Amino acid sequence: QVQLQESGPGLVKPSETLSLTCTVSGASISYYYCNWIRQSPGKGLEWIGYMYYSGSTNYNPSLKSRITISVDTSNRQFSLTLNSVTAADTAVYYCATGGGFAPEFWGQGTLVTVSS
Amino acid sequence: EIVMTQSPATLSVSPGERATLSCRASQSVSGNLAWYQQKPGQGPRRLIYGASTRATDIPARFSGSGSGTEFTLTISSLQSEDFAVYYCQQYDNWPFTFGPGTEVEI
Repeated sequence: QVQLQESGPGLVKPSETLSLTCTVSGASISYYYCNWIRQSPGKGLEWIGYMYYSGSTNYNPSLKSRITISVDTSNRQFSLTLNSVTAADTAVYYCATGGGFAPEFWGQGTLVTVSS
Repeated sequence: EIVMTQSPATLSVSPGERATLSCRASQSVSGNLAWYQQKPGQGPRRLIYGASTRATDIPARFSGSGSGTEFTLTISSLQSEDFAVYYCQQYDNWPFTFGPGTEVEI
């Protein structure tokens, strides 16, 4: 059974950096796309970006200058870094993988609030 | 960016009834369309991909159809566990985008 678990701080101050990690169990993430997706009341579900195990990445143009996604296949983890956060970055953040670009496996999500 | 719209925003149905949910893309996405179900406090669950292929372990009462810009998710006989929010998502053109969702309620 494949399970994903997001981890990271639930509160980040404005202008600081949001860092999250997704730990995968029950499967290797080699050959998978590793995705980060967020959900907020105002913007709904938004695809942040993805990284393939080979190292290729694709970031949402609306966030591109602030995002880094990295993958550690040996530890079955992938990470998201989002710089210079504002209140607009407050959301539930999901990691998702498997199934190509229609992810089969999702974490339960982690709420990140941007506030001083 | 491709804009996805869904209708209706809320669908009120009774258990055992048929539910038909619509999704429209602002430009053609071919068959690169997925449907998800989301319940409170959970991540989305993939139901359909490739517009009409049921995902693993998804009951046969869920079916998807359509291509290009018009898509439909049908739930043939609603069960109590099917009351949730349903999202469509296109993966034909980056950035991949989701619709705003349809809430299926009693």
